Parts: sequence; C-alpha cells; structure tokens
Amino acid sequence: EDQVTQSPEALRLQEGESSSLNCSYTVSGLRGLFWYRQDPGKGPEFLFTLYSAGEEKEKERLKATLTKKESFLHITAPKPEDSATYLCAPNYGGSQGNLIFGKGTKLSVKP
Amino acid sequence: EPEVTQTPSHQVTQMGQEVILRCVPISNHLYFYWYRQILGQKVEFLVSFYNNEISEKSEIFDDQFSVERPDGSNFTLKIRSTKLEDSAMYFCASSWKETQYFGPGTRLLVL
Repeated sequence: EDQVTQSPEALRLQEGESSSLNCSYTVSGLRGLFWYRQDPGKGPEFLFTLYSAGEEKEKERLKATLTKKESFLHITAPKPEDSATYLCAPNYGGSQGNLIFGKGTKLSVKP
Repeated sequence: EPEVTQTPSHQVTQMGQEVILRCVPISNHLYFYWYRQILGQKVEFLVSFYNNEISEKSEIFDDQFSVERPDGSNFTLKIRSTKLEDSAMYFCASSWKETQYFGPGTRLLVL
C-alpha cells in the first residue's frame, strides 16, 4: 500500500535556527513529489515540485531535495512567518496523477 | 495572480440534507479535483475530473457524492444526504499539468 510518512510531527525552532523536515514515501509509479505549506484554516499553498532523485529546488529560506525514497525540506534561518504546517505529497500516477498527502510537520518559529 | 475560489466559506447543515459546494478553478486549467480534510487529520483525495468526466475517485467518494461542471467556469461537489462524519474542510484544486493549486476551502459542519 502506498504510504507517506513525515517527521517530525511538530518542530519548534528559534528564529534563525536552521533545520530539516523529512518525508519518506513508498509510492509506485511516482510522477513527482510536491511540497505544500498550509496555514491554519487555509488551503495548501504550493511550494515545490521535484521529479527525479538528486533534484533540488529553492525558494527564499526553503530548499527541497529528493532521493529515491525520501525528500527533505531544509529551512535556513527561519523567521516567525515561516510558521505553518508543511505537507509532502507524492503524485502517484493514475490517469492524471493524484496526491497522497502526509500528515505534515507543524513548524513553529519563535522570535 | 490567478487563484482557485470556493463558496461558501462555511456551511452548516442538518444531517440528511443535501449540500452543494462550489468552486471556480483557474481559468486555463483542465484538471479539477476535490479533497477533504477532517479536523486534525491529513488531506484526503476524493475525486479528479477531466474532459467533463470523472477520471479517478477514492473509496471515500461513494454514491452520495457527485461532481459536475455545469458551465465553463464552475465545478461543484454535491453531497446528497449528509452524515455527521461528512463534517470537514473541503478543498477544490485545479491544474494545467501535474501541479495542483488549491482553493481556500469550504468548512462543512453537519449537525
């Protein structure tokens, strides 16, 4: 059965304290891995798509990387506004590909 | 910047009543989706829609659910006879290719 596991479930950082979030997946026919940010009561906001092992994408303080079984979201010198839940979602194929979301990592950045 | 919109933002209904959730996808997108998120749980795929028909649906999307694109801009999710366990946040998403963009959601509460 396809599975997505994100760790840690929650992460508290001080402003400026860098860290990484992990997403491990067992998905057959992967057609890309997506990272989203979700604020409370809001819809997921697209961050990155990664398609092949070794690929990296960056946006401001965030960098996403992909291996064959895992993806990492690195947060460098985070600010309080980076506080959110970060969701990992492999796209497993099907007729046009549908997302299997992990439970997410809830990040809190304290000033 | 184009975005997915959803109405209403909140809906309260009595068990057994029919509800229709509405979405306006991004205008040039071809693929449309519904997801739901029960409070405190992960985002779950319900159904995908392309070329005026359902492409794929999950086990959650049973006979009480239906989707429709009644005109060139709207995409709707109908729940025929709501149950208490249908209470959740419902997200519409649309895509041109693989990257799905989500709306802000409709919070449905079934009493």
